[in-house]
Amino acid sequence: KNQVEQSPQSLIILEGKNCTLQCNYTVSPFSNLRWYKQDTGRGPVSLTIMTFSENTKSNGRYTATLDADTKQSSLHITASQLSDSASYICVVSVRYGGSQGNLIFGKGTKLSVKP
Amino acid sequence: DADVTQTPRNRITKTGKRIMLECSQTKGHDRMYWYRQDPGLGLRLIYYSFDVKDINKGEISDGYSVSRQAQAKFSLSLESAIPNQTALYFCATSGLDRFQEEEGYTFGSGTRLTVV
Repeated sequence: KNQVEQSPQSLIILEGKNCTLQCNYTVSPFSNLRWYKQDTGRGPVSLTIMTFSENTKSNGRYTATLDADTKQSSLHITASQLSDSASYICVVSVRYGGSQGNLIFGKGTKLSVKP
Repeated sequence: DADVTQTPRNRITKTGKRIMLECSQTKGHDRMYWYRQDPGLGLRLIYYSFDVKDINKGEISDGYSVSRQAQAKFSLSLESAIPNQTALYFCATSGLDRFQEEEGYTFGSGTRLTVV
């Protein structure tokens, strides 16, 4: 079964600090990898999408990396802000996912940024 | 206006009642999805539809049914609600890019359903 594992499960950091979230996946056939931000009580919003050939992609203070050989991805947040407090979900897209769907979701990392 | 609109935003219902959650979109996407999110779990697919005449069961379809009334509308029904269907429900849409690859998904804001 296709799976996406994220770590840590939760993280607390001080405002202005950097942090890195991890994602490991066992998915085949791989199509792309996405990072979503989900604020409490809201739907997930896309931050980045990376294909097999891309190693790094940035979106403002968010930088995602992808190592397709080791099947790992990370999301680095620079100079964190209070508004970064949210759950960050790693999602791997597959072709022909069947009943599981074409998106395989991780359980998310809950980030809390404290003043 | 939001690209994907879900109604209601919150709902409390009693065990055994029938309830419908509605989703409409202005993205012009053919593909629509219903997901369920429980605490500590990733989003799980309930049903999906690739066009108006296409309905497919997802990973956890038991106890649910759907209707694709139009390209822009996709509703989820619980025929006889039970407490373990208490969850956050999301509708999503996606389209295809010029390479016929699935584009980024757009999610609604969710419906928080409580079955008592």
